[in-house]
Amino acid sequence: GAVVSQHPSRVICKSGTSVKIECRSLDFQATTMFWYRQFPKQSLMLMATSNEGSKATYEQGVEKDKFLINHASLTLSTLTVTSAHPEDSSFYICSASSGGGSNQPQHFGDGTRLSIL
Amino acid sequence: GESVGLHLPTLSVQEGDNSIINCAYSNSASDYFIWYKQESGKGPQFIIDIRSNMDKRQGQRVTVLLNKTVKHLSLQIAATQPGDSAVYFCAENPPGRALTFGSGTRLQVQP
Repeated sequence: GAVVSQHPSRVICKSGTSVKIECRSLDFQATTMFWYRQFPKQSLMLMATSNEGSKATYEQGVEKDKFLINHASLTLSTLTVTSAHPEDSSFYICSASSGGGSNQPQHFGDGTRLSIL
Repeated sequence: GESVGLHLPTLSVQEGDNSIINCAYSNSASDYFIWYKQESGKGPQFIIDIRSNMDKRQGQRVTVLLNKTVKHLSLQIAATQPGDSAVYFCAENPPGRALTFGSGTRLQVQP
């Protein structure tokens, strides 16, 4: 149980392109979803927290107009990287929690490797 | 700011030996802790969790120990296998806030 599916697994695109990443909880309802960014050999850095039906809460230093998050249902959240540039290249990982995000394990997708040329 | 840190960036063990991965956390308000395993190119995989009202929890081949006095967390893996090779992260969960991840320890299992 507690499977989180992330799609696509890899994206290679030109600078200036907008890229949408989907995160789905397959067998549970995710009241809260999280988006992380991970650079090589580094830890996961939280970008934003989203609750179904409300606006995402972004961490300090994360541009909300650059990284658009939508959490329209209890099983789907999307992250759109708008007008992506090479410095946006990274490994983006989502996670989902059924219990409001506190004292409940977060279950992670397998990440999206984004490469901007 | 407050953070979760690890003592050893890389741990190399022989197959069959026990492994111990340590983690220091700094937020005394954290009441929930999780260990994750991350293999190359994949997302973190839940291993085991522990709440602050416990000091030990056991799973299959894994044990997590929590010492709130010194704010220390450890993951013990019994009879380490080549498939255990990965990066291991501890994460702390302060009440009402999202998980904060440590810097990670790479476990290398030598055959």
